[in-house]
Amino acid sequence: GNSVTQMEGPVTLSEEAFLTINCTYTATGYPSLFWYVQYPGEGLQLLLKATKADDKGSNKGFEATYRKETTSFHLEKGSVQVSDSAVYFCALSAMNSGNTPLVFGKGTRLSVIA
Amino acid sequence: GAVVSQHPSRVICKSGTSVKIECRSLDFQATTMFWYRQFPKQSLMLMATSNEGSKATYEQGVEKDKFLINHASLTLSTLTVTSAHPEDSSFYICSARNLAGGGYNEQFFGPGTRLTVL
Repeated sequence: GNSVTQMEGPVTLSEEAFLTINCTYTATGYPSLFWYVQYPGEGLQLLLKATKADDKGSNKGFEATYRKETTSFHLEKGSVQVSDSAVYFCALSAMNSGNTPLVFGKGTRLSVIA
Repeated sequence: GAVVSQHPSRVICKSGTSVKIECRSLDFQATTMFWYRQFPKQSLMLMATSNEGSKATYEQGVEKDKFLINHASLTLSTLTVTSAHPEDSSFYICSARNLAGGGYNEQFFGPGTRLTVL
């Protein structure tokens, strides 16, 4: 079956530090890959996505590249800010699969300190 | 962009009462909506898949008689927690799939409903 594994947190960084949150997946076929962010007390917001191999998703300074050869979709940001403190979820979705829901990783909590 | 709303955002109720949570897709039609439950500092647990005009599909271990799901229109799904107890206290999140959104299955999430049962 499909699954997502992401690095366990919490991750604590100083402002302006480089961020990497690892995410690897197992899936049949060619899934779409997503990163969602959840700020305290809120629902999930789509951060970025990639729908095919070698695609790079980017948003708000965050990037992730769909690597089929390593089945990975690591999230990176060159310089984090305090406002980036949140929980980040990696997820996949089978392509054109009708009612199949997203498969989520367990989430990684990021705390950025000034 | 596609917007999903939930109502209420917070609800506090007494043990034994029932609570209804609404999930609406505001600017698109969603034949499929998903209901998740999230415990503190944990990931989302899929409870059920809600299909417009048909019965919901529940995940293993989720009591369908306790968590009633109705998806009566292409823009509204409701989750009713019947005879709520303190252990039902949680953060409930819905999501909707926009079938017009292209070849990939992006889901749009509501802001969540925090349920506290006293």
